[in-house]
Amino acid sequence: GAVVSQHPSWVICKSGTSVKIECRSLDFQATTMFWYRQFPKQSLMLMATSNEGSKATYEQGVEKDKFLINHASLTLSTLTVTSAHPEDSSFYICSARASPGLAGGPYEQYFGPGTRLTVT
Amino acid sequence: GIQVEQSPPDLILQEGANSTLRCNFSDSVNNLQWFHQNPWGQLINLFYIPSGTKQNGRLSATTVATERYSLLYISSSQTTDSGVYFCAAQETSGSRLTFGEGTQLTVNP
Repeated sequence: GAVVSQHPSWVICKSGTSVKIECRSLDFQATTMFWYRQFPKQSLMLMATSNEGSKATYEQGVEKDKFLINHASLTLSTLTVTSAHPEDSSFYICSARASPGLAGGPYEQYFGPGTRLTVT
Repeated sequence: GIQVEQSPPDLILQEGANSTLRCNFSDSVNNLQWFHQNPWGQLINLFYIPSGTKQNGRLSATTVATERYSLLYISSSQTTDSGVYFCAAQETSGSRLTFGEGTQLTVNP
């Protein structure tokens, strides 16, 4: 149980194009989903928090017009990187939190396998 | 916001050795998770442990919430245990998980 999937697992795109990443909770409903990015040899940094049916909350320094987040259903959140540039190349990871909580606890987050984005 | 510090940053072991990883956090928490990030980047949930002690096979974890630290124990380490171990905490008054910088574990045969 508590499986989160991401698609695609890796993507290469040209500078100036947009890329959409999907995050799905496969066997539970996720009222809250989170998007992180991770640069090589670094820790995970939270980009934004999305609640189903409402606008995402972005962390300081994250451009909301560049990283569009949609959480249209209890099992799907999407991150669109608009007008991607080489500096957007990174590993993007989503997580989901169930409501009510699963066996682990009400605040436990479950992580997807990540999407490696390379912008050329 | 909450500060999360992990130690040591790097750890090299021989197969079969035991190890202890530490996570200090600066505020009271309602969520404390340990993860293992495998070579493909997948975060594997090891423990959800805002307080108390849990064991799963060769791994165990203890969180002493009143003293604001958590420990991850790995016994009889194997080469497949290699990777980065992250601790992440969510403060009681907040809603976001803050990650430590991780411990890079290398287990040599």
